Amino acid sequence: NAGVTQTPKFRILKIGQSMTLQCAQDMNHNYMYWYRQDPGMGLKLIYYSVGAGITDKGEVPNGYNVSRSTTEDFPLRLELAAPSQTSVYFCATLSTDTQYFGPGTRLTVL
Amino acid sequence: GENVEQHPSTLSVQEGDSAVIKCTYSDSASNYFPWYKQELGKRPQLIIDIRSNVGEKKDQRIAVTLNKTAKHFSLHITETQPEDSAVYFCAAREGGSSNTGKLIFGQGTTLQVKP
Repeated sequence: NAGVTQTPKFRILKIGQSMTLQCAQDMNHNYMYWYRQDPGMGLKLIYYSVGAGITDKGEVPNGYNVSRSTTEDFPLRLELAAPSQTSVYFCATLSTDTQYFGPGTRLTVL
Repeated sequence: GENVEQHPSTLSVQEGDSAVIKCTYSDSASNYFPWYKQELGKRPQLIIDIRSNVGEKKDQRIAVTLNKTAKHFSLHITETQPEDSAVYFCAAREGGSSNTGKLIFGQGTTLQVKP
């Protein structure tokens, strides 16, 4: 039982490039979330999903897209990366009331 | 929507002293309030939570209190130790009819415990 896994751990992108941040869980949890955490700040919800095929926007969705074709995977897509997207990205799942976070992906856009 | 304010942003205490972090929320329908601890470079981890039908909850050296009328909740850490040094986040779960489990986080409090 690996819990919530995220890849890659670190990534440097050039402005305008695209990439997909991967998030996977093996706990069969229906609810999944993507957050970004800027330096010295709290977590802001980007997108969330309540089950396969169902996604919805959070507080800061602009510049991102998600898909949820399976219960296990919830990838986050960045199109046309911008310096403002430099952040640490956390994926989380929900079990009963508690959200469990993955280890994070540190993304730098230069 | 829900808004969560957290104070103070930084807190420095001597080892053995108590630390208190306070949060206020805006949505009276919010019904679940977790606290997360985040060590440098690590993921946030749940340390304690409280539901709206309870006024106080304690787990060893940490406790959380909730005042629904005033819409605020607090984290209390007693007999602080250097390993308590971290960033602490409060959160409130959005209420309403659609239970999405969405959390709104406070801005975080950096706690430093001096030996």
